[in-house]
Amino acid sequence: QKEVEQNSGPLSVPEGAIASLNCTYSDRGSQSFFWYRQYSGKSPELIMSIYSNGDKEDGRFTAQLNKASQYVSLLIRDSQPSDSATYLCAVNIDYGGSQGNLIFGKGTKLSVKP
Amino acid sequence: GAGVSQSPRYKVAKRGQDVALRCDPISGHVSLFWYQQALGQGPEFLTYFQNEAQLDKSGLPSDRFFAERPEGSVSTLKIQRTQQEDSAVYLCASRRRGAGNEKLFFGSGTQLSVL
Repeated sequence: QKEVEQNSGPLSVPEGAIASLNCTYSDRGSQSFFWYRQYSGKSPELIMSIYSNGDKEDGRFTAQLNKASQYVSLLIRDSQPSDSATYLCAVNIDYGGSQGNLIFGKGTKLSVKP
Repeated sequence: GAGVSQSPRYKVAKRGQDVALRCDPISGHVSLFWYQQALGQGPEFLTYFQNEAQLDKSGLPSDRFFAERPEGSVSTLKIQRTQQEDSAVYLCASRRRGAGNEKLFFGSGTQLSVL
């Protein structure tokens, strides 16, 4: 059973702080990793994707990947109340009969306090 | 169409009733996914199609759940003899290609309530 694990939170940070969200995955063969944001009552939307070890920055967001440790993280700098949402880690199955399948973690709820 | 369209938006069913949920993906998208999302949880994988081929149905919770995509476009998720534990939001998503490094586009979901 391929698994994606996240701390469900809630994670509460003050406005302007750095929010750090973590994810581990079980499938060593996975090559593609994603962070989706989901506001309450809405559908998930993609905010970051990462495919190679190291850091990838996009505006206030930085995704970090360590394949040896099977670990993905998302940093949100200068957190804003509008960042309050559930953040979903998703891992692609890149080989075998289910190649292309995308598995989600249960999500971490982030609350940014003004 | 402009986005992934799901219908109905809300469905209330009596326990034991059969339901059919429809997903109309973005035109030309090869991959189509169904996920079940319970309140406060992440999307739980149900099944995955590439064109008309159902590549993975390992997430379907029981033989009461059935999905099809006969012409590689519109997909229907059918739930027979609904139970209260089937109450959830059912999300459909599509992706332009079969490759895993592309973005998923989600529909608004169908919220199913089984009474």
